[in-house]
Amino acid sequence: DAGVIQSPRHEVTEMGQEVTLRCKPISGHDYLFWYRQTMMRGLELLIYFNNNVPIDDSGMPEDRFSAKMPNASFSTLKIQPSEPRDSAVYFCASSSRIRDRAYNEQFFGPGTRLTVL
Amino acid sequence: QQQVKQSPQSLIVQKGGIPIINCAYENTAFDYFPWYQQFPGKGPALLIAIRPDVSEKKEGRFTISFNKSAKQFSLHIMDSQPGDSATYFCAASMMFSGGYNKLIFGAGTRLAVHP
Repeated sequence: DAGVIQSPRHEVTEMGQEVTLRCKPISGHDYLFWYRQTMMRGLELLIYFNNNVPIDDSGMPEDRFSAKMPNASFSTLKIQPSEPRDSAVYFCASSSRIRDRAYNEQFFGPGTRLTVL
Repeated sequence: QQQVKQSPQSLIVQKGGIPIINCAYENTAFDYFPWYQQFPGKGPALLIAIRPDVSEKKEGRFTISFNKSAKQFSLHIMDSQPGDSATYFCAASMMFSGGYNKLIFGAGTRLAVHP
């Protein structure tokens, strides 16, 4: 398996533009997570899906952020309109529920470095 | 109560040294404590993890020490190598119904191992 795939790896855009980040989770995984990493706030969970359904989006910073998972192999995180303070590295991660296991490892993608000018 | 406090922020050691990274938590509902390693330009990857009913776990040169009463845990890297230079995150996890682990990350420690 190629692991979690994210695209693009780097995105530079101007304030006010729409940005769409993409993620392909590991095949067979039924949980998908979007994280944001910044120097100031570290790694923050934005939203997670279970079986393509959004379960907890309490970490999404504002209504400008939205996430979808139309099928088990694809998810998007959209920012509209983007602002300079959205500049960060955005990670997608996936995991698989293993019954009776204490910890189900989350596998992270390589991230998308977003710069909003 | 959801926070995980990690220190130091950065650490420099010589090759062969034993860097130690410390973490503390408040919420006793956490039931698993993983450490993630992140190299520049890469996503975090699970390095080693421990359950609260165990005081120590070793995997190769990496050891977690866990003190449940103090709500503290630490990562020790024996015989550190330049290839260990990375950012290390401690985390605390609690299992929710349905098999979902919510991860709360520490702020990270940037480790540099000099040859």
